[in-house]
Amino acid sequence: DQQVKQNSPSLSVQEGRISILNCDYTNSMFDYFLWYKKYPAEGPTFLISISSIKDKNEDGRFTVFLNKSAKHLSLHIVPSQPGDSAVYFCAASASHNFNKFYFGSGTKLNVKP
Amino acid sequence: DTGVSQDPRHKITKRGQNVTFRCDPISEHNRLYWYRQTLGQGPEFLTYFQNEAQLEKSRLLSDRFSAERPKGSFSTLEIQRTEQGDSAMYLCASSLAPTEDGYTFGSGTRLTVV
Repeated sequence: DQQVKQNSPSLSVQEGRISILNCDYTNSMFDYFLWYKKYPAEGPTFLISISSIKDKNEDGRFTVFLNKSAKHLSLHIVPSQPGDSAVYFCAASASHNFNKFYFGSGTKLNVKP
Repeated sequence: DTGVSQDPRHKITKRGQNVTFRCDPISEHNRLYWYRQTLGQGPEFLTYFQNEAQLEKSRLLSDRFSAERPKGSFSTLEIQRTEQGDSAMYLCASSLAPTEDGYTFGSGTRLTVV
C-alpha cells in the first residue's frame, strides 16, 4: 500500500511558466517531507524539504507548500527552465526516523524551450 | 569527495545466479542505506547501517538478500538465487546521521535477471 502518491506521471510546461508538482500522503505520522530531482542515469538529488511545523518553504525558484489537513504537498518551480526537466520524487518520513523515507512514484517534468 | 559510488553500473544475470553489488559512501558519512527502485515506482527502503551495524531491514529484504558493511566503510548487497522479480535499480545512499537534508544517493546498479 503506497503511503506517498504522486498521481501525475508527467507534466509539460513552457519555459518561464510555473510548474506545480503534487504529492499526497496517507500516513498521519509523517511530519517531514522532501523533494528529490532525478536526471537519467543519475541517482536522486535532494532539492528542498519541509517540516510539518511549517506550511511553506522557499529556496530560490523552488517553493514547497504543505497542507497538513489535506495531507497534500506541492512543489512550485518559478520560472521553469529547460534544465529543470527531470523526474521529481516526493518523500516522507516520521521525524523520529530520518533513516527511512517513503517515496512517491515520481512525476516527469518536461520544460519546453 | 567523489560522492557515493556504486559498482557495477549494470548487471545482467541468469535466473538462479547470485549477484553482489558494492557501494562506497562519502567517507565521513556513518550511515549507509540501500533502496530498490522498480520501473515506474519510487525508491523503496531496503535496509540501513550505522557504521557496521545493520539497524533496520525492510520486509522487502527476503532471506535471499543479505547486506553487509564489515568495517563501517563500503557495503555489499548480495542477492542469492536471483529471480526475474529482482530486476530493478538498486540505489545506495549515505548521510551523517540522522539528517533532515536527505541522503546523497549514488547512481545505482541496474540489475536485469533473464
